Amino acid sequence: GQNIDQPTEMTATEGAIVQINCTYQTSGFNGLFWYQQHAGEAPTFLSYNVLDGLEEKGRFSSFLSRSKGYSYLLLKELQMKDSASYLCAVRDRWDNYGQNFVFGPGTRLSVLP
Amino acid sequence: DTEVTQTPKHLVMGMTNKKSLKCEQHMGHRAMYWYKQKAKKPPELMFVYSYEKLSINESVPSRFSPECPNSSLLNLHLHALQPEDSALYLCASSLEGGGTGELFFGEGSRLTVL
Repeated sequence: GQNIDQPTEMTATEGAIVQINCTYQTSGFNGLFWYQQHAGEAPTFLSYNVLDGLEEKGRFSSFLSRSKGYSYLLLKELQMKDSASYLCAVRDRWDNYGQNFVFGPGTRLSVLP
Repeated sequence: DTEVTQTPKHLVMGMTNKKSLKCEQHMGHRAMYWYKQKAKKPPELMFVYSYEKLSINESVPSRFSPECPNSSLLNLHLHALQPEDSALYLCASSLEGGGTGELFFGEGSRLTVL
């Protein structure tokens, strides 16, 4: 079966660092994605990992360990606008028929002043 | 143009109505998707079109009927819906054949079925 787990909610303080974990068990693996979704808005792409290791993009970093089925999203220097849901998604297939993404339940992050 | 445009943004319909949701992108993406998202839940895949052919249908009830007239347009025809079908319907597209293939989402159509 397909299963992706994330914490349901997290709270952090403005200016701090927060790490959002994601564990997955999927039938296939062709990349792990993190999306940000503000309430009532569409998800937007944040990061992508397909090989083990850390990918850094400004205040956001994402880490992947394929052997452990584990990823995390690290947000530094938190700002109030970072309050949103963060979705972990695994692409378990990419072929001539398109891509199949499995989304985790999302983590609602609240950034407090 | 890096946008996926969905219309209408809001739709209220009765259980006997027929309506359509529309989605458009001009990024040259050859895969387009319909997702359904309930409040505080992740998006659930409904349909995937790849190169204008329906490639994935995630056991969606026949009261939802997708259509891909060309590579830039995707429609979702709605008929005889149930109140539990009320949700945010997200359209997405992706570049096939290279790159990371991330999804580009539209802002969604919020559907309420009375």
